[in-house]
Amino acid sequence: ILNVEQSPQSLHVQEGDSTNFTCSFPSSNFYALHWYRWETAKSPEALFVMTLNGDEKKKGRISATLNTKEGYSYLYIKGSQPEDSATYLCAPSGNSGGSNYKLTFGKGTLLTVNP
Amino acid sequence: EAQVTQNPRYLITVTGKKLTVTCSQNMNHEYMSWYRQDPGLGLRQIYYSMNVEVTDKGDVPEGYKVSRKEKRNFPLILESPSPNQTSLYFCASSLIGEPQHFGDGTRLSIL
Repeated sequence: ILNVEQSPQSLHVQEGDSTNFTCSFPSSNFYALHWYRWETAKSPEALFVMTLNGDEKKKGRISATLNTKEGYSYLYIKGSQPEDSATYLCAPSGNSGGSNYKLTFGKGTLLTVNP
Repeated sequence: EAQVTQNPRYLITVTGKKLTVTCSQNMNHEYMSWYRQDPGLGLRQIYYSMNVEVTDKGDVPEGYKVSRKEKRNFPLILESPSPNQTSLYFCASSLIGEPQHFGDGTRLSIL
């Protein structure tokens, strides 16, 4: 089982603030990193899948970077809005146990944006 | 509409009574997966499938079976459910290497 750590566990910001959080994972045998957004009482919604070292992806006000050599990814939210309140999950996959497609999710960062 | 459909959405049952949670997707995705979500433990992968007749264990496969006889369906089978399998279950599907689409979840309570 991959050791995946997300920090911080929770975060409160004011509307309009920009924020970021971290996903750390083993750098050996890395294959891909997924980011998901999960609102309470809903199902997880995909944000990005990243595979290349140095990759940057953007979706609206949300962007992510990937460093596979040191084993981390940052998720940034610019100008947070109350509707951004959710748990943000990362899930790396790697060739441990013989498969690149077995996903291990972190426990998430719970973001609360206060109006 | 592209979707992943799980049934039932809610189920309360008793220890030892076999049950199946169905999962169906209409997007012609090769990859399908089952997860369980428990407080404090996050989402954990139970089984996944890369294509028809190809299944692999995730991190918590004990007590579960799956099958992939058709591309669109990936049922999760609990042959002899126990209370520690009380959880919220999600099915997901995707093209290989692409982001996953999740179903709405199935809440199972095993007494």
